[in-house]
Amino acid sequence: EIVLTQSPGTLSLSPGERATLSCRASQSVSSSYLAWYQQKPGQAPRLLIYGASSRATGIPDRFSGSGSGTDFTLTISRLEPEDFAVYYCQQYGSSPPPTFGQGTRLEIK
Amino acid sequence: EVQLVESGGGLVQPGRSLRLSCAASGFTFDDYAMHWVRQAPGKGLEWVSGISWNSGSIGYADSVKGRFTISRDNAKNSLYLQMNSLRAEDTALYYCAKDVAGAFHWYFDLWGRGTLVTVSS
Repeated sequence: EIVLTQSPGTLSLSPGERATLSCRASQSVSSSYLAWYQQKPGQAPRLLIYGASSRATGIPDRFSGSGSGTDFTLTISRLEPEDFAVYYCQQYGSSPPPTFGQGTRLEIK
Repeated sequence: EVQLVESGGGLVQPGRSLRLSCAASGFTFDDYAMHWVRQAPGKGLEWVSGISWNSGSIGYADSVKGRFTISRDNAKNSLYLQMNSLRAEDTALYYCAKDVAGAFHWYFDLWGRGTLVTVSS
């Protein structure tokens, strides 16, 4: 089972700033089968990115994903107030089971 | 409206059973594989089980194998999770999640709001 480690655990930034979230896998994720989700308090997760870099339907272009192998990054180019949430990465190249990282909390500074 | 609505959660004693349901609407249910994903209080996400569009392929996390059974009724646009021999560590918010295809692609583009299962005496 592939273990995903996200860093930092908490990221404190201001609206308008750039956010960079990291996801590292314990072994290579085949075919860059990595997704990112956003979860706000009391809400279900929302798919942002799949295939490491493809935006899901309706996701603003300020969200971008990159990386391959064991190192992946989610970048939010210019933070909006609604972007403050918890972000999870998930690998699905070695499934079952698909596995999730422990999450990065993005909070307002 | 495209949505998934879970139900059936509640407080149950260790060793007892519970059946979760997920009602799908707004999309062609039998075109997609479906999954259950859970989130323990204050914790991250854990995939629990998945079922292909025609129930031909089914998978379980090791933590629930032999105790949980996933099923679907395409005529009723519904997904189910029968949970037996429940343990305290099964306490979580259980989400129903839609795969992006009929066979497993293993990532999820629509989630419900979840139903809470609490296992405690």
